[in-house]
Amino acid sequence: AQKITQTQPGMFVQEKEAVTLDCTYDTSDPSYGLFWYKQPSSGEMIFLIYQGSYDQQNATEGRYSLNFQKARKSANLVISASQLGDSAMYFCAMREPRGSASKIIFGSGTRLSIRP
Amino acid sequence: DTAVSQTPKYLVTQMGNDKSIKCEQNLGHDTMYWYKQDSKKFLKIMFSYNNKELIINETVPNRFSPKSPDKAHLNLHINSLELGDSAVYFCASSQDGAGVMGQFFGPGTRLTVL
Repeated sequence: AQKITQTQPGMFVQEKEAVTLDCTYDTSDPSYGLFWYKQPSSGEMIFLIYQGSYDQQNATEGRYSLNFQKARKSANLVISASQLGDSAMYFCAMREPRGSASKIIFGSGTRLSIRP
Repeated sequence: DTAVSQTPKYLVTQMGNDKSIKCEQNLGHDTMYWYKQDSKKFLKIMFSYNNKELIINETVPNRFSPKSPDKAHLNLHINSLELGDSAVYFCASSQDGAGVMGQFFGPGTRLTVL
């Protein structure tokens, strides 16, 4: 069964430092996708970044990058130069193929707090 | 412009009642989803519709019935509400059934069953 593991329930980071949020996944399917979402205290879910299992390069979106290590089945999110507005819950997720459809399963989340 | 909208944002009701949550997306996406986020923030998919057709139906009680009148709308009706149904319900949409480009979420509906 596919699953997503986020081992850091909470993290505190000083403003302007880089931060790495850990995510490991488990799947036997060769074709899958990995996502990161941000959920601020206001509650909305914001899509941050996507990495496909066949992508050769690590995905990047502005200050976000995904450190994809396929052999280790890890997909850590790196946020460079953290800002106060980065304080939020962060969810790692994996797209699980199911025939012509897919579903996305989520990890338990990491609460990131940025200190001024 | 709101991409994925849900109504109502808050819903407080008594046990045993029937309630509906509406969702609309103006992104032109083909696939829509319902998720439930419990008090521990765990997010789990409930249903997925592609072009008005149900494609994913997780182990959800029969009291939950999704309805998609067209591909821009996916409503969730819940019968005989129970205390355990209290959660935040998110609607989401994606361009394709695989969700390759990510799923766009609505603001959520916080349901409280008393």
